[in-house]
Amino acid sequence: EIVMTQSPGTLSVSPGERATLSCRASQSISTNLAWYQQKPGQAPRLLIYGASTRATGIPARFSGSGSGTEFTLTISSLQSEDFAVYYCQQYNNWPGSFGQGTKLEIK
Amino acid sequence: EVQLVESGGGLVQPGGSLRLSCAASGFTFSSYWMSWVRQAPGKGLEWVANIKPDGGQTSYVDSVKGRFTVSRDNAQNSLYLQLDSLRVEDTAVYYCARPQYCSSADCYVPYFDPWGQGTLVTVSS
Repeated sequence: EIVMTQSPGTLSVSPGERATLSCRASQSISTNLAWYQQKPGQAPRLLIYGASTRATGIPARFSGSGSGTEFTLTISSLQSEDFAVYYCQQYNNWPGSFGQGTKLEIK
Repeated sequence: EVQLVESGGGLVQPGGSLRLSCAASGFTFSSYWMSWVRQAPGKGLEWVANIKPDGGQTSYVDSVKGRFTVSRDNAQNSLYLQLDSLRVEDTAVYYCARPQYCSSADCYVPYFDPWGQGTLVTVSS
């Protein structure tokens, strides 16, 4: 099973600044990677699929990049509503697997 | 607007059973694969089960095979998850979700969009 490792575990950033979140796969997954945002008490929300394609309604400040084993989610100018937990998920190999999450908190 | 609303969670003893439901609206339910995904308290996410649009094909993560059963009623726009022989480690919020990256014949490894709000299952004595 592919292991997804996210770093850092917690990221402290000030509003208006850029945030860069990383996700590493234990083996190549091409670009079969999705990113989700989860706020406390809420369901995950799809942000990015195909490593770099924004889901419907997702603001342009969210961007994804990478292929193979190394992936990045960048939030260009943090808004108050962006502070949440972010998960990556590979959908290249059964049964699919999620990272443990990165908590993005206000600095 | 697509909506998925889960219900049926609660407290159950180890070895017990529970049936979760998911009411779908805002899309043609009978045309879509559907999934269950769970999240243990303070932990990450884990795909649990998929079911084909006509209900004729299902798949499960190994840890629940033989204990959980996914089903659907397209006339009622409803998805179900029967949880039997529950274990403490099954404690989680269970989400109903619509998988993406599926074909008409298979939904091998999807990503998920959208998700319901979840229902909490607690297995404890």
